[in-house]
Formats: sequence, structure tokens, C-alpha cells
Amino acid sequence: SAVISQKPSRDICQRGTSLTIQCQVDSQVTMMFWYRQQPGQSLTLIATANQGSEATYESGFVIDKFPISRPNLTFSTLTVSNMSPEDSSIYLCSVGLAVTDTQYFGPGTRLTVL
Amino acid sequence: GQNIDQPTEMTATEGAIVQINCTYQTSGFNGLFWYQQHAGEAPTFLSYNVLDGLEEKGRFSSFLSRSKGYSYLLLKELQMKDSASYLCAVGHSSASKIIFGSGTRLSIRP
Repeated sequence: SAVISQKPSRDICQRGTSLTIQCQVDSQVTMMFWYRQQPGQSLTLIATANQGSEATYESGFVIDKFPISRPNLTFSTLTVSNMSPEDSSIYLCSVGLAVTDTQYFGPGTRLTVL
Repeated sequence: GQNIDQPTEMTATEGAIVQINCTYQTSGFNGLFWYQQHAGEAPTFLSYNVLDGLEEKGRFSSFLSRSKGYSYLLLKELQMKDSASYLCAVGHSSASKIIFGSGTRLSIRP
């Protein structure tokens, strides 16, 4: 597996503002993903972060709301834009390491929007 | 599209055995994953099945039947620390992504 870190670990933000979450991996990985986990719910895939090209978004998620950067094979950011209380959630990045596409998760960022 | 079903909650007794079932309907199947998630923590990988049959890993075993769209996770000699959510997830062959089910919250009683 890989060592995955996320910053910040938690934040409390005001409605209408934006927050950028960072995900750093200790080795080069091909696949990086961003998930959202709302309170008491399972994980929902937001997008696949592609190195050197635009992210691939899942149905219901758009680039204007969740812009993603992937400048290299060890780092990605997710921005939650123009936040509302409905965006309060845990945001997790994950990396795919093997041909089986097994994913390993970062510790998550707990976001509260007031 | 993808549809993954698993029970919402289960309760079992310390030292016993519990089986958590998962059924799925998907296009482009590339394996079935089980993850464990303790409250307030990130999910951790437990098992991966891509061929039919049983994979055993210590106290945990996972089974897959691709023709039936069915998997189960079997936990033996339950310990209190096994109280967690167990997430069934399906791999998508063309996109290397994983889609998660809603999770089963397992409570272990003494």
C-alpha cells in the first residue's frame, strides 16, 4: 500500500466560500480518485483525477462545483466551490495501486459548512 | 448502471460467526471488493475477488459467484473490534474505478 495524507484534516467554513483539499501520496500512482461520504452514508465517487488532463466526473458532479487538479503522479487537489451546508461531508482521496484496481484511502477531510 | 445491495445493519455475538451478503448488478465487472470502516476513520481494504469461489484470509473470508451477482464476507471468531461498517464495492473494468454499496453496520455484543 501507499502512505496517503490529506490537508486539512477538518475545517469549518462559511456559506459561499471555497475550500481546497490536498492529497499527497508517498509514491507515484496512476489512478487517483475523490469521494464524498455524507453523515451516515457510504462513499460516493466524485471524479477520477487524471494526470495531465481534465478530471472525469461522475453523474451529478460538475467541474464548476468541484474543480480538480492533478499536476503530477503524487499530488491532487479538490476544491469545493461556493459552499452550502449541503456540502458538509467527509471528502476522501484514494489511489489505485495494482492491476486489480484495489484502492487505498487517505484519512479524509471533515468539512462543515455553516 | 450499477446497483449494489447489502443489509443496513447486523448484530452478532463475540466469538460467533457472521456472514454479510452483497448482491450486485453491473456492467463491465472487474472484481468485488470488501472494505472495513470504523467510525470516524477511512475505509481499509479487506479482500478482492475476481474469480468464483472462496478467498480466505485469517478470520475473514470472501466468496464470489459472478453468475449470480452475489458475494459474501464471512467473519469468524468475532471480536469487539470487528464492530464497524463493511462496504461491498464493485470494480468497473473500463475505468479502473470502484463503486460502493451503502454499507452494513455490524455491531458485536459481548
